[in-house]
Amino acid sequence: QSVLTQPPSVSGAPGQGITISCTGSSSNIGAGYDVHWYQQVPGTAPKLLIFVNTNRPSGVPDRFSGSKSGTSASLAITGLQAEDEADYYCQSYDSSLSGYVFGTGTKVTVL
Amino acid sequence: EVQLVESGGGLVQPGGSLRLSCTASGFTFSSYAMTWVRQAPGKGLEWVSAVGGSSGSTYYAESVKGRFTVSRDNSKNTLFLQMNSLRAEDTAVYYCVKFRGLRINYYYMDVWGKGTTVIVS
Repeated sequence: QSVLTQPPSVSGAPGQGITISCTGSSSNIGAGYDVHWYQQVPGTAPKLLIFVNTNRPSGVPDRFSGSKSGTSASLAITGLQAEDEADYYCQSYDSSLSGYVFGTGTKVTVL
Repeated sequence: EVQLVESGGGLVQPGGSLRLSCTASGFTFSSYAMTWVRQAPGKGLEWVSAVGGSSGSTYYAESVKGRFTVSRDNSKNTLFLQMNSLRAEDTAVYYCVKFRGLRINYYYMDVWGKGTTVIVS
């Protein structure tokens, strides 16, 4: 059972912006551990999208941005494109579990 | 090009064993911690196990502790996952993943293999 909660689905029209939340607790995000985000196109392996809360790896468009505050984090996508249709997962570390944890995952649909 | 290639997946009966391998290339394998992440059919991602780069320290999710063993051979740039006492709920695609970061509790997963499928039935 995931300890990081995400909305099951988010949708938006092409060109619009969306936000995906990732809610944790005092033993993970609230404890100061970094949050990272991954994009998984169906049938393929996940890909790193945002690392250390706000940073984009080389090659990731600046339409993607991350933020973190308190016990939560968010991934924002602006100017939605058809290629952004995928599952998105947040990830952090949990001190109570002594291990890495993923969010429940959010399916993004471009209408 | 940084690359991770998993092998060893397959069909195994409950209670059986399987050994996964992951061959790395394109980076100094011994310098990085590595991890296994799995994804059950139609489900989300689940962290399974990790091993330090040179230290060889190992870490496990509660769901596999005592049944799975992670190891590495830095001379062969290979990561392993020995899976014993397999259960139906271990059925998943297993991804080999390279860790990156300044401190172990703050690591992120920057390179993923394509995965190998394990079916316990």
